[in-house]
Amino acid sequence: ETGVTQTPRHLVMGMTNKKSLKCEQHLGHNAMYWYKQSAKKPLELMFVYSLEERVENNSVPSRFSPECPNSSHLFLHLHTLQPEDSALYLCASSQDPGPARAEAFFGQGTRLTVV
Amino acid sequence: ILNVEQSPQSLHVQEGDSTNFTCSFPSSNFYALHWYRWETAKSPEALFVMTLNGDEKKKGRISATLNTKEGYSYLYIKGSQPEDSATYLCAFDDYKLSFGAGTTVTVRA
Repeated sequence: ETGVTQTPRHLVMGMTNKKSLKCEQHLGHNAMYWYKQSAKKPLELMFVYSLEERVENNSVPSRFSPECPNSSHLFLHLHTLQPEDSALYLCASSQDPGPARAEAFFGQGTRLTVV
Repeated sequence: ILNVEQSPQSLHVQEGDSTNFTCSFPSSNFYALHWYRWETAKSPEALFVMTLNGDEKKKGRISATLNTKEGYSYLYIKGSQPEDSATYLCAFDDYKLSFGAGTTVTVRA
């Protein structure tokens, strides 16, 4: 256990569905991140939140909508996804948003399949 | 998008043997280089965060070196054990982490 919990672990959704991924950390960290890992590709940074404010949006399509209601919780709202969005979505947190230098703590990820 | 490359992509090691692999990264705007171990069905776990040229860090049988001038880092595993089987990721830190694709190590008993 790293202290970062993601739910659900697996999700299958249709292209017209709306779903949300949840991430929770109780490590007292100030920064939270969403990463995407597609098959055979490196981890790609999607969003960075620092002290509940979004500081980075890495050219992510608007069908992905993040929300950070407080420093312990991060959501990724999904709507009208495409099959190519099927991937492993990882949440992470760290003490400071950057220059980081502090190690990131990752959740176990949500395996998303869009059908 | 920063070019962070890891080689080899995968390697198989006999139990008890030592091995090493490489991460190369841009040599400009360097803040830190991270190494993570990612075991199947688990979360990526931080091994090292390295910030200074010439840095060497060690955790048990795993160690890493850093050369920021030429833009590379080596990770070494001494006396590999089956529990060392994992994907090892490096990440270049210039305010945000840019990950390499990883080196997947399989240790055969």
